[in-house]
Amino acid sequence: AQSVAQPEDQVNVAEGNPLTVKCTYSVSGNPYLFWYVQYPNRGLQFLLKYITGDNLVKGSYGFEAEFNKSQTSFHLKKPSALVSDSALYFCAVRPRDSGGYQKVTFGIGTKLQVIP
Amino acid sequence: GAGVSQSPRYKVAKRGQDVALRCDPISGHVSLFWYQQALGQGPEFLTYFQNEAQLDKSGLPSDRFFAERPEGSVSTLKIQRTQQEDSAVYLCASSTDRFGSNQPQHFGDGTRLSIL
Repeated sequence: AQSVAQPEDQVNVAEGNPLTVKCTYSVSGNPYLFWYVQYPNRGLQFLLKYITGDNLVKGSYGFEAEFNKSQTSFHLKKPSALVSDSALYFCAVRPRDSGGYQKVTFGIGTKLQVIP
Repeated sequence: GAGVSQSPRYKVAKRGQDVALRCDPISGHVSLFWYQQALGQGPEFLTYFQNEAQLDKSGLPSDRFFAERPEGSVSTLKIQRTQQEDSAVYLCASSTDRFGSNQPQHFGDGTRLSIL
């Protein structure tokens, strides 16, 4: 069975400072990895994904994430946080090694609070 | 429309009543997912459709939950004899990916269901 761990319920960062939101995963074989963001009373919005290739993935709104296979991690990062980045962030995983359908599993989310 | 549309946005029902939640996916999207999101949690998978075929319903919590997508477009999630523990936000997502795997899922804004 696959799983995602987001060890921090909340991350606080000052505006303009770099931010990191942590994610570790457990899956059989190689993973597809995703980050989504959720604003209040809205659905999830896709930020970025890792499929294969370069371990550093760049996504929307200046976010990036680094895939680390040995540490089974996929931490979300941004060099300079904005107040508007304050939201709930979800990491998600699914196994790659299949030609057919596989379920995507989401973490419980990390609340990012950017302080002006 | 440009995105995934869900209706109603809010639904209040008395315990024991039946409810029906509607999802209108992005036109042409093959894959459609339903998730349940409890307060402070990540989305929990309920069921998956590829066109009109329900390929995975392993996440439906009981036989009170039923989903359909008869023409491979609009989907309805029905909950019979609702109970208080059914209170949650129900999210629908669609994807171009035939198996909904390595392409991002596009989420609607959800239906917030409250059972009194």
